[in-house]
Amino acid sequence: EPEVTQTPSHQVTQMGQEVILRCVPISNHLYFYWYRQILGQKVEFLVSFYNNEISEKSEIFDDQFSVERPDGSNFTLKIRSTKLEDSAMYFCASRMTGGANEQFFGPGTRLTVL
Amino acid sequence: GIQVEQSPPDLILQEGANSTLRCNFSDSVNNLQWFHQNPWGQLINLFYIPSGTKQNGRLSATTVATERYSLLYISSSQTTDSGVYFCAVVKRGSGGYQKVTFGTGTKLQVIP
Repeated sequence: EPEVTQTPSHQVTQMGQEVILRCVPISNHLYFYWYRQILGQKVEFLVSFYNNEISEKSEIFDDQFSVERPDGSNFTLKIRSTKLEDSAMYFCASRMTGGANEQFFGPGTRLTVL
Repeated sequence: GIQVEQSPPDLILQEGANSTLRCNFSDSVNNLQWFHQNPWGQLINLFYIPSGTKQNGRLSATTVATERYSLLYISSSQTTDSGVYFCAVVKRGSGGYQKVTFGTGTKLQVIP
């Protein structure tokens, strides 16, 4: 069964460094998402991406965040200058076309900022 | 924005017991998903259920969209059911876009 994959599973970085989190969505999906979950809290929407552009973003998704689909398979989240409060689990999700189709989530990347 | 509240926030069960988890939402939605977050942090899709009832093994879910709630039933619980259960509601926007809002979660611990 096709699935969303994410790499790395765990990333440790120093405050102020740039990180890139990578996702490979399911191949025939067209909508892509990033979510964040701070330890012990609920999952929060960050950004949605369709047709090579951001379709919606939350207040959390400020100028230090960016997303890209550099080729036909990868979908990346870049954090330009990490802060301690960026430590969280980051989930990628994808879905097919249509307004209410199910989103499929990847296993997550745990980001630790020291 | 839409509010999604889950109850109870914490639940401890003896292995073999049954339980019902509830998800209430504040506005009409286009769809609803239930997830299990395992101890390793992975989100496992359980159900995609806009209305009605679905069953998968020992788990079943019912959504009553007109009354803005959904229920997740766990029967004959096992220690592997431990973790956090999230509901997430789907609201469709213009142009086919959708936004998913997660609930507050129910932390379940099943003890042998």
